[in-house]
Amino acid sequence: IRLTQSPSSLSASVGDKVSLTCQASQYITNFLNWYQQKPGKAPRLLIFDASHLQTGVPSRFSGSGSGTDFTLTITGLQPEDFATYFCQHYDYVPPLTFGGGTKVEIK
Amino acid sequence: EVQLVESGGGLVQPGGSLRVSCAASGFSFGTYAMSWVRQTPEKGLEWVASIGHGGDHTYYGDSVKGRFTISRDNSRSTLYLQMDSLRADDTAVYYCAQHSGTDMIVLWSWGQGTLVIVSS
Repeated sequence: IRLTQSPSSLSASVGDKVSLTCQASQYITNFLNWYQQKPGKAPRLLIFDASHLQTGVPSRFSGSGSGTDFTLTITGLQPEDFATYFCQHYDYVPPLTFGGGTKVEIK
Repeated sequence: EVQLVESGGGLVQPGGSLRVSCAASGFSFGTYAMSWVRQTPEKGLEWVASIGHGGDHTYYGDSVKGRFTISRDNSRSTLYLQMDSLRADDTAVYYCAQHSGTDMIVLWSWGQGTLVIVSS
């Protein structure tokens, strides 16, 4: 299964609403997670099972979708949200598969 | 607080071996599945290997199968990745990651990574 993230990068302003997409090459129900990574840091889990917010993650982050098309939405972009976002697919056993990432930059 | 601290990275020649370690603290290590994930600017994030909480079930990515071995010592709360027959395309930052439980679904917490460079 391949995960295609789009766009590969985007420019946005503080306060904007942005939507990042992740498309799976096959039907994957809701077996999808989202991570945030800042330069020089490890990835951080944001959303699991497509739409469940990880504890401690701000509510401006939300995830949606099922099947093959998924979206990570940030409503009211904050300065600390400028980062790269990855989606990840799982099944009952590995492998784990990652998308290529979307870099969110300051306009 | 969960802490995962990788060590053992460095420069190694093609065909050589290296073992990286991940010291875990802040949680009951022996009750969680663990994984290694690597990252390069060119290929992004790539899952390398996973191991069940008891160490009895292991899984490997196609690119490392037969060359890398994942293991764990629950008495020492430490995860290992033995890397043999290293190639230039194994150059990457290697992260250890804790799963959310005994399953291998969500990568709940990550270490800061250790850099492995394979070059002559």
